[in-house]
Amino acid sequence: EAQVTQNPRYLITVTGKKLTVTCSQNMNHEYMSWYRQDPGLGLRQIYYSMNVEVTDKGDVPEGYKVSRKEKRNFPLILESPSPNQTSLYFCASSLAGGGETQYFGPGTRLLVL
Amino acid sequence: AQSVAQPEDQVNVAEGNPLTVKCTYSVSGNPYLFWYVQYPNRGLQFLLKYITGDNLVKGSYGFEAEFNKSQTSFHLKKPSALVSDSALYFCAVRDIAGTALIFGKGTTLSVSS
Repeated sequence: EAQVTQNPRYLITVTGKKLTVTCSQNMNHEYMSWYRQDPGLGLRQIYYSMNVEVTDKGDVPEGYKVSRKEKRNFPLILESPSPNQTSLYFCASSLAGGGETQYFGPGTRLLVL
Repeated sequence: AQSVAQPEDQVNVAEGNPLTVKCTYSVSGNPYLFWYVQYPNRGLQFLLKYITGDNLVKGSYGFEAEFNKSQTSFHLKKPSALVSDSALYFCAVRDIAGTALIFGKGTTLSVSS
């Protein structure tokens, strides 16, 4: 089944404890992206990747890191999480670019205490 | 700057009645427009998109959307609502660089039986 998977789905952590949210797609898509969803704000892009080893900042990159060492994986790293990073995170992928139909993972709900 | 507006936080309709979820956009050039739906505890699912061509776009689950260039609108419609259509709906537009989708804040659709 073609899909985007994320792990973990739910995570509670404390301020400053490094964490990684994994994202993987099995559709051979070139483009991958991370969004965060907050009530009343819709989805905002954190980082995106147009291809392997190519990443760039979105609208709200502060406090996040990403890497794209393989085509299928695009982990999101929070080096020192803070409470304002409590949010619902979505990974997405598309065949060739951000302007194409993006396919979303199930989401990761993060609570930073 | 590109933007998407969904003027209604919530839309309430009775089952069997037609529904409309409104979206207006602001973008330079020809817009690429999308509708996504989010069910509770799920990721976003693609419904339909407009790139060019016929102003009436048909999508999944009986939904359609009408592109109106003069009014810069892309309203989502369905002739007969189902209770199972109750969900959060997002309108999105491709950014100029083609690196992201810009999302509206979302509209909660509630269909009563």
